[in-house]
Amino acid sequence: ELKVEQNPLFLSMQEGKNYTIYCNYSTTSDRLYWYRQDPGKSLESLFVLLSNGAVKQEGRLMASLDTKARLSTLHITAAVHDLSATYFCAVVFLNRDDKIIFGKGTRLHILP
Amino acid sequence: NAGVTQTPKFQVLKTGQSMTLQCAQDMNHEYMSWYRQDPGMGLRLIHYSVGAGITDQGEVPNGYNVSRSTTEDFPLRLLSAAPSQTSVYFCASSFSYDRGGGYTFGSGTRLTVV
Repeated sequence: ELKVEQNPLFLSMQEGKNYTIYCNYSTTSDRLYWYRQDPGKSLESLFVLLSNGAVKQEGRLMASLDTKARLSTLHITAAVHDLSATYFCAVVFLNRDDKIIFGKGTRLHILP
Repeated sequence: NAGVTQTPKFQVLKTGQSMTLQCAQDMNHEYMSWYRQDPGMGLRLIHYSVGAGITDQGEVPNGYNVSRSTTEDFPLRLLSAAPSQTSVYFCASSFSYDRGGGYTFGSGTRLTVV
């Protein structure tokens, strides 16, 4: 079964703190995406990770991919209120008819 | 460059009615998908297409049909609407994964079945 699990599903944190969101998946893949969704809006692409060991950074967000552990992380550094949103990872299952499966999302609430 | 265009943005259907959600992209993307988003469930894949003339089922295909006669269009048909199909529907497109593409999402269609 193709599974993508994110944790935590909900995170409330103070501004200025660091935290990490985890994305585990069930079977082989070396393609993973991270998205952001604001309430009532569509999804916005953040990162595309295309190989083992890939690391991408944009502002206070950094994403990495470890295909051997089947794990991606989204690290938030010195959080600010504007980063409050729901974050999704999505995995391309290349050996399963190229299905792209999303995690359930992590709802991030950053307190001023 | 319009990106991914979904219509309508809102729709209310009666149980048993049928309708088509439209999705069009102008980026020459090979890959197109339909997802539904429900509270606490994330996005679940309904159907997807890796190119014109090719479609396949996702995680939750029952009650939905798709076709891909052109690269640009990927309509989603609800055959006989049920209250369980009340959801927000997103269409997304990308270049094929080996071209490094991430998805571009449409703005969504909020469907209520009464």
